[in-house]
Amino acid sequence: EVQLVESGGGLVQPGGSLRVSCVASGFPISNYWMGWVRQAPGKGLEWVAHINRDGTEENYVDSVRGRFTISRDNARNSLWLQMNSLRVEDTAVYYCVRDSGPFQFDHWGQGTLVTVSS
Amino acid sequence: EIVLTQSPATLSLSPGERATLSCRASQSINRYLAWYQQRPGQAPSLLIYDASNRAPGIPARFSGSGSGTDFTLTISSLEPEDFAVYYCQQRSNWPKTFGQGTKLEIK
Repeated sequence: EVQLVESGGGLVQPGGSLRVSCVASGFPISNYWMGWVRQAPGKGLEWVAHINRDGTEENYVDSVRGRFTISRDNARNSLWLQMNSLRVEDTAVYYCVRDSGPFQFDHWGQGTLVTVSS
Repeated sequence: EIVLTQSPATLSLSPGERATLSCRASQSINRYLAWYQQRPGQAPSLLIYDASNRAPGIPARFSGSGSGTDFTLTISSLEPEDFAVYYCQQRSNWPKTFGQGTKLEIK
């Protein structure tokens, strides 16, 4: 069974940093592009970042480029999102997604909540 | 950026009825459109990809159609578990964008 389990969310002050993690099971992530999609409270979905199979290509939405970094370790079947210079508007549930596509998200984790507030 | 506009914002129907949800793109996206379902308190799940292909395990009552700028998700006969929020998403251009969602509620 394919599973994606996120962790690492929490409360952080504006300007702070946080790293969220995703551990995959039931499939080797080395076969897939992987990404992060976020959802602000009561709002819709926003694609945030994507990384190719061997970690040599990354893509970001403009609003996080230069502040967020996506990375992966295929040997550990894990994905991370390092978030720096956090803003109030980054408050959201962050979902780890598997890409069967490109950019067709066929499996989602349960999400981890990141709250940016003073 | 491609803007996806979903309509209606809210659709009130009864179990057994037919639901028709619309997604319009601000420019042509060929058939590069997916639909997702999000039940309350849950993560989204993939229903339809490339406009009309059902994802594995998705019941046949769900169907997608359209190309270019106009797309439709149809649920032929609503089951209680179908009442949820539905999002469309394009993968044609950067950035990959979602519509704002249609809430399908029980009448």
